[in-house]
Amino acid sequence: GESVGLHLPTLSVQEGDNSIINCAYSNSASDYFIWYKQESGKGPQFIIDIRSNMDKRQGQRVTVLLNKTVKHLSLQIAATQPGDSAVYFCAENNNAGNMLTFGGGTRLMVKP
Amino acid sequence: DAGVTQSPTHLIKTRGQQVTLRCSPKSGHDTVSWYQQALGQGPQFIFQYYEEEERQRGNFPDRFSGHQFPNYSSELNVNALLLGDSALYLCASSSQGRDYEQYFGPGTRLTVT
Repeated sequence: GESVGLHLPTLSVQEGDNSIINCAYSNSASDYFIWYKQESGKGPQFIIDIRSNMDKRQGQRVTVLLNKTVKHLSLQIAATQPGDSAVYFCAENNNAGNMLTFGGGTRLMVKP
Repeated sequence: DAGVTQSPTHLIKTRGQQVTLRCSPKSGHDTVSWYQQALGQGPQFIFQYYEEEERQRGNFPDRFSGHQFPNYSSELNVNALLLGDSALYLCASSSQGRDYEQYFGPGTRLTVT
């Protein structure tokens, strides 16, 4: 989702539940997508990536889904843990440039 | 294997002053990108350096300039600081040909008063 100033969209989940964080991207020419996790006071940390020729990719406890038809990306976290609490950003890249374009971020809060 | 490092961690400057931020890339990386992250927002691309030259630039004024050294480390310079330049400045490194795999440093928190 989009953030407005300090008001990031927030997802609150119970420890052990699954989390789904969504992102809409804007550039249909983007061919590479990444999810980053950012904890307070730290830089973004790479979680998982996916190329545009795929629609699903799985990592350890995380799955990324890509729907190019509606330009939508999602991050699924299985068995969410307190250490997963952070702000999550999606980012996109296309072959025409070397820059990453970031979405607005979603804050994930895990309740014990 | 050292990751991306940045210095200083925090910095406070006055409007109109100039600032220099420093970044050392992850071992084996030769490309450095700089991003500005305002509070509550996603990082915004400033520019990228490869082979000591600016290769691509985002929508930032000329007050923002940079440099890359032969050892691949980089500096970000901001002149004539404005209050709106207060942000977290992130450095990310990558390898030529794999620029999309960018690894970020912890950032420098710049406050302009």
